[in-house]
Amino acid sequence: AQSVTQLGSHVSVSEGALVLLRCNYSSSVPPYLFWYVQYPNQGLQLLLKYTTGATLVKGINGFEAEFKKSETSFHLTKPSAHMSDAAEYFCAVSEYNNNDMRFGAGTRLTVKP
Amino acid sequence: DARVTQTPRDKVTEMGQEVTMRCQPILGHNTVFWYRQTMMQGLELLAYFRNRAPLDDSGMPKDRFSAEMPDATLATLKIQPSEPRDSAVYFCASGLGQGAGELFFGEGSRLTVL
Repeated sequence: AQSVTQLGSHVSVSEGALVLLRCNYSSSVPPYLFWYVQYPNQGLQLLLKYTTGATLVKGINGFEAEFKKSETSFHLTKPSAHMSDAAEYFCAVSEYNNNDMRFGAGTRLTVKP
Repeated sequence: DARVTQTPRDKVTEMGQEVTMRCQPILGHNTVFWYRQTMMQGLELLAYFRNRAPLDDSGMPKDRFSAEMPDATLATLKIQPSEPRDSAVYFCASGLGQGAGELFFGEGSRLTVL
């Protein structure tokens, strides 16, 4: 079955600094890849997704991610962190022939003033 | 504003009691997922349905957990009997049944079993 690994359970950056959250996936067929964000006491919300086509995907709140097949990666970036970006971020993978979406363990992002 | 609705939002119960969590998926969505979130295990897939039929419930402890979709507007997750280790936040999510489709999550049901 498909799976994702998120490197780093906690990431801390200063406000205005680059955000980089790492995700590697495993899939036997071309994957669909997602990043979700979870704020305290809320459900998960979609940030962005990759299905086919352009490998650089732009999402909400200035986030983007690049699908790199050769590296089996889908890292999430944002050029300049904002205090409101502090949350938990989940990478997820599904496959075209099933609906079984699998999530990584999550990365908690802290933004320091 | 279409959203997935879960009830109850918070539930405190004693060990051995039956717990039922309910989910109303977004109208028109034909896939429904149940996830459990804990600090130790993260987000675990418990079960999912397509067109009300269970496709996979291998993540669910069969002896005490059961998941059903009595109709297209209601999914239930039942624990009987509940145990302290079941304490977690349970999320329901719905989607349009395609691999590329995103899932829409409810706000979760926080269960505490004493």
